[in-house]
Amino acid sequence: DGGITQSPKYLFRKEGQNVTLSCEQNLNHDAMYWYRQDPGQGLRLIYYSQIVNDFQKGDIAEGYSVSREKKESFPLTVTSAQKNPTAFYLCASSIWGAGVEDTQYFGPGTRLTVL
Amino acid sequence: SQQGEEDPQALSIQEGENATMNCSYKTSINNLQWYRQNSGRGLVHLILIRSNEREKHSGRLRVTLDTSKKSSSLLITASRAADTASYFCATDADAGGTSYGKLTFGQGTILTVHP
Repeated sequence: DGGITQSPKYLFRKEGQNVTLSCEQNLNHDAMYWYRQDPGQGLRLIYYSQIVNDFQKGDIAEGYSVSREKKESFPLTVTSAQKNPTAFYLCASSIWGAGVEDTQYFGPGTRLTVL
Repeated sequence: SQQGEEDPQALSIQEGENATMNCSYKTSINNLQWYRQNSGRGLVHLILIRSNEREKHSGRLRVTLDTSKKSSSLLITASRAADTASYFCATDADAGGTSYGKLTFGQGTILTVHP
């Protein structure tokens, strides 16, 4: 059963704590992405990675960190430096390459709430 | 910065009616994509239209693209209650003809279809 999974579905964090959101895909996609979605808003890009061991900042990277040690996995850490982390976090993946039209496949999301 | 802006923000119709959503963007693009999001879930890709295409169909979906006006529309014909969702346009910005896989999403249109 191919797809992209995220865990946990719901996550509660106390202020000052770091938390890590998991994203795994078995689609053999090169590129992976993390987005943040606030209520009634579109998606904003946090980080993306087009190849293992490489990643780039998106539009709102401050307070977040990522790693890409394996092609299948792209975990996102929300650090205590992120001032307003309560949001819905979406992970996506796509085939990537010059001339390729990238359709992104999304996971089900993780809803993070800071208490 | 938000590349795509969608209009209307919310649309409420009866089953069987057609629903039209519009998207405007600011810079040259390689392609424009439409995604659907059910409440609290991940996004699902609906349709992609290339910058050299003017119209595309997929089932009950019809997408148009006017690159001179930097705008696109999504038409859902004969709507059903199950079409109730948020719909987002996303643009893949043209970087000298190479797709870097980054999508910029609009804020979305919330469609409600009443049975």
